Amino acid sequence: AQSVAQPEDQVNVAEGNPLTVKCTYSVSGNPYLFWYVQYPNRGLQFLLKYITGDNLVKGSYGFEAEFNKSQTSFHLKKPSALVSDSALYFCAVRNNNAGNMLTFGGGTRLMVKP
Amino acid sequence: DADVTQTPRNRITKTGKRIMLECSQTKGHDRMYWYRQDPGLGLRLIYYSFDVKDINKGEISDGYSVSRQAQAKFSLSLESAIPNQTALYFCATSDNRGLGYTFGSGTRLTVV
Repeated sequence: AQSVAQPEDQVNVAEGNPLTVKCTYSVSGNPYLFWYVQYPNRGLQFLLKYITGDNLVKGSYGFEAEFNKSQTSFHLKKPSALVSDSALYFCAVRNNNAGNMLTFGGGTRLMVKP
Repeated sequence: DADVTQTPRNRITKTGKRIMLECSQTKGHDRMYWYRQDPGLGLRLIYYSFDVKDINKGEISDGYSVSRQAQAKFSLSLESAIPNQTALYFCATSDNRGLGYTFGSGTRLTVV
């Protein structure tokens, strides 16, 4: 069965420091992986996706994610965090056996302190 | 205009009342979804529709119903609202390949 785990409910980082938001997955077949961000009082916004190709995927707002097949991980990263990056982040995997629907992780709240 | 529009943005209703949340999309996609978000529980799928004639229950459909009026419109109803349905509700749409969902801004529903 497809599943996504975000092991950290919250990640705290100081502004200017690098950040990592962790995601591991389980899927049948090729993994199609996504990151979404939710700012307060807003809907989820697409950040980036991995379908195939380079293991390092670059997305919006300076974020990138590293696909690691052996560790079944897709961690979200940014070299230098901004206070405005504070938000809720969701990892998702496409369910290749259920109509290509996405399965979402539980979300990780990122807090960037000045 | 937003790709996915949800109305209302906020709603307070009383226990036992019927309420409808509406969603429309301009992406031209066949697939639409309704999710519920509670603090600490992430997104939970209520109903989904792969086309106008195809509607399916998600993991938490009890107490909810939906109507797919057209390719672009997918509404969610609470037939008799109860306080534990207080939550943030999101509508989304996607193409058939599932390579990206577009979400609405959400409806914050409070049942008192």
